[in-house]
Amino acid sequence: EIVMTQSPATLSVSPGERATLSCRASQSVSSNLAWYQQKPGQAPRLLIYGASTRATGIPARFSGSGSGTEFTLTISSLQSEDFAVYYCQQYNNWPTFGQGTKVEIK
Amino acid sequence: EVQLVESGGGLVQPGRSLRLSCAASGFTFDDYAMHWVRQAPGKGLEWVSGISWNSGSIGYADSVKGRFTISRDNAKNSLYLQMNSLRAEDTALYYCAKSLTGDNRDDAFDIWGQGTMVTVSS
Repeated sequence: EIVMTQSPATLSVSPGERATLSCRASQSVSSNLAWYQQKPGQAPRLLIYGASTRATGIPARFSGSGSGTEFTLTISSLQSEDFAVYYCQQYNNWPTFGQGTKVEIK
Repeated sequence: EVQLVESGGGLVQPGRSLRLSCAASGFTFDDYAMHWVRQAPGKGLEWVSGISWNSGSIGYADSVKGRFTISRDNAKNSLYLQMNSLRAEDTALYYCAKSLTGDNRDDAFDIWGQGTMVTVSS
C-alpha cells in the first residue's frame, strides 16, 4: 500500500495570502495524484488531477505541481470560501489518501 | 444532472451485516469504474473498495479485505457494498464516487454522493 503523508496538519493563513500544502508518497506515483477540498458537512470536491490539471470549474488560484513522490498544492490568494480541509490522493495502484491539511483563518 | 445517491446505512451491532447501495444517474454508468470511500467521524478519507465497469477488476483496502464485497448492476445503474462481520472501527460515513476518466480503476474521483452513515455499536 502506498502511504501518503501531508504537511502541515494545520495551516493558518490570512485572507489574500498564499497557501502552500505538501504531500509526499512512500513510493513513486508518477503524476497520478489528485487534490480534494472538503468543507464541513459536504462531500469532497475534486480540485486537481494528474498532479497539475485543474478540474472543471476550479478557479485559477488553485495550482498543483510535482511528480514522483513530492507534490504541492498552492492557493495563490486565499478567499474566504477556501478555508477547508484538503486531501491528496494517489491513484497509481488503487487509491490511497493523505490524512489531510486543514487551512484555517489566521 | 450527474448524481450519486447512497442508501442502506444505519445502526448495526458488531458482527452483523449491512448492504449499502448507490444509485447513479445523469451519466453512462457502465462506462466508469466506481468506488467506495469512507470517513469516520472527525477523521480523514479512507478508500474502501473499487470496481471496474465489468467487475473484472476489484480491489479492497486491507482493513476490509475478506469482510466487504463490492458489486455493481449496470442494468440498474447501481453500485453495492456488502459489509459482513462489522466492527466498531467500521463506523463512518460511506461515500460512493465515480472515476473521472472512464473505466480506469486507477483514477481521480470527480463525482461523489452525499454519503450514508453506518454506525456499528451494541
